[in-house]
Amino acid sequence: EVQVVESGGGLVQPGGSLRLSCAASGFTFSSYEMNWVRQAPGKGLEWVSYISSSGGTIYYADSVKGRFTISRDNAKNSLYLQMNSLRAEDTAIYYCARDVSGHDAFDIWGQGTMVTVSS
Amino acid sequence: DIQMTQSPSSLSASVGDRVTITCRASQSISNYLNWYQQKPGKAPKLLIYAASSLQSGVPSSFSGSGSGTDFTLTISSLQPEDFATYYCQQSYSTPWTFGQGTKVEIK
Repeated sequence: EVQVVESGGGLVQPGGSLRLSCAASGFTFSSYEMNWVRQAPGKGLEWVSYISSSGGTIYYADSVKGRFTISRDNAKNSLYLQMNSLRAEDTAIYYCARDVSGHDAFDIWGQGTMVTVSS
Repeated sequence: DIQMTQSPSSLSASVGDRVTITCRASQSISNYLNWYQQKPGKAPKLLIYAASSLQSGVPSSFSGSGSGTDFTLTISSLQPEDFATYYCQQSYSTPWTFGQGTKVEIK
């Protein structure tokens, strides 16, 4: 079964750090671009970051640039999001999403992991 | 950044109704437009990519059209499992951006 499973969410104080992971299975992870997308409670979807299949090309939303770092380990079929200097407005469900090559649509999503930034 | 505006924000419809949701981009995005369905507590599901290409496994009752700045998602005959929130997303240029969502509710 093609799937991605996120982990690493939790409660963190403002200014703190958290590292999210996404484990992929059922497909050739190293061939796919990947993304992180988030959704604040009761709100819409916000794209966060993109990484190419090799890791050589990376993009960020302005709202997280300089604070978040996306990375991947193709040998471990895993995607990561290192989140530093967290703010209350980063509180959201974070989804790992596979990219449809050539279209940048997101065809496989995980169940999400909740990040809560609060004192 | 490209702004995506959906209309309406919500609608009430009955089973069997034909439903149309509109998405407008703040600048031309060619056909780089995707549609998703999200049910409460669940991850989004890709329905349509490249404006009109049906994602594998998605019922043919869903269709997409448009290019440039104006796009539509049509559900030809609304089914009980189609009550959800729908989002459009542009993939023309980063940052990829989503519309605010359209909630389809039962009349």
